[in-house]
Amino acid sequence: QQQVKQSPQSLIVQKGGISIINCAYENTAFDYFPWYQQFPGKGPALLIAIRPDVSEKKEGRFTISFNKSAKQFSLHIMDSQPGDSATYFCAASTGVTGGGNKLTFGTGTQLKVEL
Amino acid sequence: DGGITQSPKYLFRKEGQNVTLSCEQNLNHDAMYWYRQDPGQGLRLIYYSQIVNDFQKGDIAEGYSVSREKKESFPLTVTSAQKNPTAFYLCASRDRNEQFFGPGTRLTVL
Repeated sequence: QQQVKQSPQSLIVQKGGISIINCAYENTAFDYFPWYQQFPGKGPALLIAIRPDVSEKKEGRFTISFNKSAKQFSLHIMDSQPGDSATYFCAASTGVTGGGNKLTFGTGTQLKVEL
Repeated sequence: DGGITQSPKYLFRKEGQNVTLSCEQNLNHDAMYWYRQDPGQGLRLIYYSQIVNDFQKGDIAEGYSVSREKKESFPLTVTSAQKNPTAFYLCASRDRNEQFFGPGTRLTVL
């Protein structure tokens, strides 16, 4: 059962462009939505996270947009750089409400930023 | 130098053998997790532990076992009952809502 659907599977963006990755969830009990960045052969690292009480969160070039009614959230990478080339995962958990803070991950998006 | 260490980085085993993957953390976190990563499937939760001497099955626990005798350590055993064990295994620990991941172990069963 895929509770978090992520798209696209892969993405090619020109340097300086905007990368957009989308996720949709089904479980309305989710209350914590992080994005992770993973480089080949490494473990994922937290990039940015949001709670459903806000519609947008920005940290540097990375922004999460959150639409609670549509049960969707997205990651925007502004001024994309070759160093941003990695796999990005969205995730969701019932962190605040308990349940072991188990993360449910999307299937990942491979981003390539070309010169 | 705080963090999560996993060893070994690469592991090769023959079919039918049990193998244990190590995960150690010096972050003083109570909760620890094991995930399996396969191409195109994201990360799937195998087992998790919220406190010493307690652990719970995740979504794909069949063919795996864990122990949590010390706060710092959460080893994962891949048993011969696991039908498709070749994968990248990731260990994580948690501080509040944020999970911190180790570098992973790539297991190949020949």
